[in-house]
Amino acid sequence: AQSVTQLGSHVSVSEGALVLLRCNYSSSVPPYLFWYVQYPNQGLQLLLKYTSAATLVKGINGFEAEFKKSETSFHLTKPSAHMSDAAEYFCAVAGANSKLTFGKGITLSVRP
Amino acid sequence: NAGVTQTPKFQVLKTGQSMTLQCAQDMNHEYMSWYRQDPGMGLRLIHYSVGAGITDQGEVPNGYNVSRSTTEDFPLRLLSAAPSQTSVYFCASSYQTIRSGNTIYFGEGSWLTVV
Repeated sequence: AQSVTQLGSHVSVSEGALVLLRCNYSSSVPPYLFWYVQYPNQGLQLLLKYTSAATLVKGINGFEAEFKKSETSFHLTKPSAHMSDAAEYFCAVAGANSKLTFGKGITLSVRP
Repeated sequence: NAGVTQTPKFQVLKTGQSMTLQCAQDMNHEYMSWYRQDPGMGLRLIHYSVGAGITDQGEVPNGYNVSRSTTEDFPLRLLSAAPSQTSVYFCASSYQTIRSGNTIYFGEGSWLTVV
């Protein structure tokens, strides 16, 4: 079985500040992990994914995430927030048969 | 190449009505699934299919039916709509299991309101 924990429902940062969105997972098999972004009233866009290769994964829009097996974590970071980063972010872990288990999501707000 | 197409994008139903959300993909993907998204709940799996003629239940299957008569289509049927089924529905597909490194593609969502 798989599960994802995203602590907190809302993160607010200033423009130019570091973005850190936390994700912890549990998985009965070696995890495949994903971060998705959703802009208001839109679908899901894949930011990045970890599929057991490099532990530091670079994604689109300057985001990256580091897989830490010992901490069962896959936190998402971006060195400098931009106003356009305001959105909802979902961490997900893949189980068998392409079934994704999602976290509850975190809303990122960016203050000017 | 249209990817994953969902229709309708918006729908308002009355309690007790039935309807079908359509999902079609043109990528010859074997794996297809339906998720619902609710505030503070993330996305939860309703039903999934690993190929034509094969379907199985996900985390929240009650009140929904699916069938997979062709590789391309995976419709989601609401048998008797309830206000609790007000949600945003996403269809997804992938060539095979994404544990093989394949990408999962999502449709743009269907916003359903049951009054």
